[in-house]
Amino acid sequence: NAGVTQTPKFQVLKTGQSMTLQCAQDMNHNSMYWYRQDPGMGLRLIYYSASEGTTDKGEVPNGYNVSRLNKREFSLRLESAAPSQTSVYFCASRLLETQYFGPGTRLLVL
Amino acid sequence: AQSVAQPEDQVNVAEGNPLTVKCTYSVSGNPYLFWYVQYPNRGLQFLLKYITGDNLVKGSYGFEAEFNKSQTSFHLKKPSALVSDSALYFCAVRVQYGQNFVFGPGTRLSVLP
Repeated sequence: NAGVTQTPKFQVLKTGQSMTLQCAQDMNHNSMYWYRQDPGMGLRLIYYSASEGTTDKGEVPNGYNVSRLNKREFSLRLESAAPSQTSVYFCASRLLETQYFGPGTRLLVL
Repeated sequence: AQSVAQPEDQVNVAEGNPLTVKCTYSVSGNPYLFWYVQYPNRGLQFLLKYITGDNLVKGSYGFEAEFNKSQTSFHLKKPSALVSDSALYFCAVRVQYGQNFVFGPGTRLSVLP
């Protein structure tokens, strides 16, 4: 039981490049989330998915897209990366009231 | 709109002393409240939650938190701090029946030997 896994762990992009952050959970949870963490700002919700086939915008969705490929996987895509998207990205899944977080992806956009 | 405040960026406490990390919240509706801890280069780990019932909730690693509805607070406490408790602590809130969680900015706890 690996919990929530994220790939890659670290990525450097140039401005304008695209990439997809992968997230998978093996706990059979319906709800999944993408957050970004910036110093002094806590975690801010980018997108979430209440169940397979549904996605909704969070607090900071601009510049991102998501895909809930199946119950296990929830990916986050940056179509044209910007330096303002330099951050640590966390994926989480939820069972009842508790969220379970992945180890994070550290992204640097130059 | 929901919001969470953690008024202290940093809390320093000596090992063996009691610790408190403060959290206040604002929501419309019944709040579900949470504390998470983050160790360096790791994801967030769940510590404890308040959903309903007893205002004093106990969680992992000897931590507890008290829900105070009149003061809209949910402070995290531990009777005797350990050096290994040093980490970043986040308070979070979710409205009953809602999907979204709102996190506070985090408080860095340093326990000094």
